[in-house]
Amino acid sequence: EPEVTQTPSHQVTQMGQEVILRCVPISNHLYFYWYRQILGQKVEFLVSFYNNEISEKSEIFDDQFSVERPDGSNFTLKIRSTKLEDSAMYFCASSGGSGLGNTIYFGEGSWLTVV
Amino acid sequence: EDQVTQSPEALRLQEGESSSLNCSYTVSGLRGLFWYRQDPGKGPEFLFTLYSAGEEKEKERLKATLTKKESFLHITAPKPEDSATYLCAVQEYGGATNKLIFGTGTLLAVQP
Repeated sequence: EPEVTQTPSHQVTQMGQEVILRCVPISNHLYFYWYRQILGQKVEFLVSFYNNEISEKSEIFDDQFSVERPDGSNFTLKIRSTKLEDSAMYFCASSGGSGLGNTIYFGEGSWLTVV
Repeated sequence: EDQVTQSPEALRLQEGESSSLNCSYTVSGLRGLFWYRQDPGKGPEFLFTLYSAGEEKEKERLKATLTKKESFLHITAPKPEDSATYLCAVQEYGGATNKLIFGTGTLLAVQP
C-alpha cells in the first residue's frame, strides 16, 4: 500500500538553528500538507501546497517556516530559526485531489526537539 | 471556539465490552468527516470518511455514523489491539484546500 515517508524520525536541535524536515508523499498525489502535534495536544494544520505554491497556511506558519518541493518526489518543511515552542511531532500528509472529501494520508512523523 | 469536540477524553473497556465514541462538530458546511486511529508516537491512520447525514461505514469491529451535528464511532466486542487514540477531523466547504480540523481525540484502552 502506498505510504507517505518522512525523515528524520527524530531530530534534536539547538535553539536558533535551522531545521529541514523531509517527506516523500504518495506518488500520484497532488496536494501536500504539513501538520504538527505538540505533545498531548491536538493535530494542527500548518500549510497546504498545490501546483508548486502554498494554497493555504495557518497563523502558526509564520515567516520562520517555509515549504518547498525541490523535485518531483520530495516535499520539505524548513524552520529557519527554531524556538523552544517549535518542539513537536511534525506530520507530512498528501491527498489525491480537490474532490469532495478527498482523503488525506499521513506519514509517521518527525519528532523535533529544540533544546 | 472549538469546531470539533470529542468525548470522552479517555475510555477504558474490558475486552468484548462494546461502546461508542462521540465527535460533535460546528462548521458552516461539512465537506467530509474523517476518523483516524493514532498509536503512540505514530501518524494518524485513516479509518473512514463520511460525507452526509445518515451515512454509515464499517470496518471489522468499527462502525462510524454521521448526523448533522455529530458522528459516532461504535466499537463492537473490542480487543486489546484496538487500544489507541481515535481522532475525528472535519473538512469544511469554503476553504482554499482540503485541510482537516482535528478534535483532541479519545484515548481508548481495552483490557484483556
